[in-house]
Amino acid sequence: QKEVEQDPGPLSVPEGAIVSLNCTYSNSAFQYFMWYRQYSRKGPELLMYTYSSGNKEDGRFTAQVDKSSKYISLFIRDSQPSDSATYLCAMIRSNDYKLSFGAGTTVTVRA
Amino acid sequence: DADVTQTPRNRITKTGKRIMLECSQTKGHDRMYWYRQDPGLGLRLIYYSFDVKDINKGEISDGYSVSRQAQAKFSLSLESAIPNQTALYFCATSDLGTSGNTDTQYFGPGTRLTVL
Repeated sequence: QKEVEQDPGPLSVPEGAIVSLNCTYSNSAFQYFMWYRQYSRKGPELLMYTYSSGNKEDGRFTAQVDKSSKYISLFIRDSQPSDSATYLCAMIRSNDYKLSFGAGTTVTVRA
Repeated sequence: DADVTQTPRNRITKTGKRIMLECSQTKGHDRMYWYRQDPGLGLRLIYYSFDVKDINKGEISDGYSVSRQAQAKFSLSLESAIPNQTALYFCATSDLGTSGNTDTQYFGPGTRLTVL
């Protein structure tokens, strides 16, 4: 079983819809959580970073962490065609700082 | 200007050939990483280096070797390429955050390698 599970999708939504992405993890040592966005033929780029349970907002993006359930989410409000990309969750263990990635979810926002 | 560059961007080679992928960074970071990305498997760590004299195996290092020539340069070699090494390869860099306990990684544009 993978340490970090992420539904690969693909996910297709109309422009303006809310996109909901999530990851689950099994190791409670994960304490730092990130979402990366990867456009086609590009490297992943950091989108959101958080280390505490609760919500963190950045513009149209909200990252949510529930450490008790070992579950993280990313919400994209008022989605735009430019949000079409693969979104990867990632998390760092506090004991050895090892970074683990989810498989990535491919999102398409239809104009 | 890109902070993390990779060369080549695309490469097609034959089974048994030796291949070197190169990574350079201008971010001044001490830590560098090599990943491969395969559909449905996400990013998997091949090797990482926390400074010029430090090299560590990742989860899938078999069939690969690395060289950290300088703080800014980290190369990945496939000594004898095989078809299941066909993948997208990414170099990344990181540095400890100001809190001292975070490790955000910054990725290069990737090298698409095809082994026939």
